[in-house]
Amino acid sequence: GAVVSQHPSWVICKSGTSVKIECRSLDFQATTMFWYRQFPKQSLMLMATSNEGSKATYEQGVEKDKFLINHASLTLSTLTVTSAHPEDSSFYICSAKTGDTGTEAFFGQGTRLTVV
Amino acid sequence: AQSVTQLDSQVPVFEEAPVELRCNYSSSVSVYLFWYVQYPNQGLQLLLKYLSGSTLVKGINGFEAEFNKSQTSFHLRKPSVHISDTAEYFCAVSDQLGGSEKLVFGKGTKLTVNP
Repeated sequence: GAVVSQHPSWVICKSGTSVKIECRSLDFQATTMFWYRQFPKQSLMLMATSNEGSKATYEQGVEKDKFLINHASLTLSTLTVTSAHPEDSSFYICSAKTGDTGTEAFFGQGTRLTVV
Repeated sequence: AQSVTQLDSQVPVFEEAPVELRCNYSSSVSVYLFWYVQYPNQGLQLLLKYLSGSTLVKGINGFEAEFNKSQTSFHLRKPSVHISDTAEYFCAVSDQLGGSEKLVFGKGTKLTVNP
């Protein structure tokens, strides 16, 4: 299957700083990318959907000013956690798919963010 | 809006035993259905999906699932499990309308295969 690479796989940052997570589709053009957050032993919660070249669509309750999403090209989307707090510590996962209906969404390996 | 219920949070089984992981969904529109597997500290890997056609879907690693529209279920089965099947399994749905097809996940079922 297609490969989605997420970087970094883990990061530790201090409270108040910002951290950027990259999601790249390595061998296909991702019209749509999704960002999820996963708390320990819980399911994936969709944070936002981003389409290349347009603003991301955020799910209810997700602060768009805190979680900045940029989908600047068909192979790259970034999630920036601004002014991070310990409660932002979580596992963040991206997925990417083409625009064809019913096609599989491919997932990155996830990023473990720890805010200290 | 869709929702997914995975009835069992944990399922322990012995190696070579059969297993069924249950999934029920709720939706007012037609849906696509998926099962994903997640190993520790990793992303998700697609096991199988139902888009249309035959209600019995075969996936990777010997897994299969059956779509039952009347019962709104999509249970995952494997006739004989291996130690390596130990992982978290997520059922997910997406609606067939619109372009983004975002996935709604269940809470997951942790499958533990014991020797």
